[in-house]
Amino acid sequence: KNEVEQSPQNLTAQEGEFITINCSYSVGISALHWLQQHPGGGIVSLFMLSSGKKKHGRLIATINIQEKHSSLHITASHPRDSAVYICAAFRGSQGNLIFGKGTKLSVKP
Amino acid sequence: DAGVTQSPTHLIKTRGQQVTLRCSPKSGHDTVSWYQQALGQGPQFIFQYYEEEERQRGNFPDRFSGHQFPNYSSELNVNALLLGDSALYLCASSLPAGAGNTIYFGEGSWLTVV
Repeated sequence: KNEVEQSPQNLTAQEGEFITINCSYSVGISALHWLQQHPGGGIVSLFMLSSGKKKHGRLIATINIQEKHSSLHITASHPRDSAVYICAAFRGSQGNLIFGKGTKLSVKP
Repeated sequence: DAGVTQSPTHLIKTRGQQVTLRCSPKSGHDTVSWYQQALGQGPQFIFQYYEEEERQRGNFPDRFSGHQFPNYSSELNVNALLLGDSALYLCASSLPAGAGNTIYFGEGSWLTVV
């Protein structure tokens, strides 16, 4: 079992839909990162959170430390949101990230 | 301010050859980590450099080695290339030791071993 699990693996949505991507982890972490990866390969950091909730534009990320679970929400989805979304757990004691396998999101116009 | 830059962006090597990938961290960042991402998988941690020393290492064989220079730039070297080494190699930089520090990624180097 991977230390960081994401679901769903693939997600197709219609433009305007509300989207939720889930991430569960089994290791002790200092922070959790949500990342976006486009087909070219480059990764952009969307959020880093260690508790509660963060919002940036149409993106919202939440984390429940007790349940070891985080969610990424996209409101009013748009085709330009199509990408792979990856959650990664940061283990402060070791200083490296453990990545989930990613969720491939496709938003249709 | 340039973010993390990696070179080359794409390269093709033959089995048994050696490859060197390069990374320049974001300005002010002194910690560089390298990750391997196979197709359809999440990135896997290779190693991390800080103050020109390998601070920690993931589960990769000794064929994978690295270096960090005084200007904080870094190289990843892979010897005796195998077909299975074909992947996207990502470099990430940050300030040291911090869950509170944002991590910045480069665009990656696509390596194909034939």
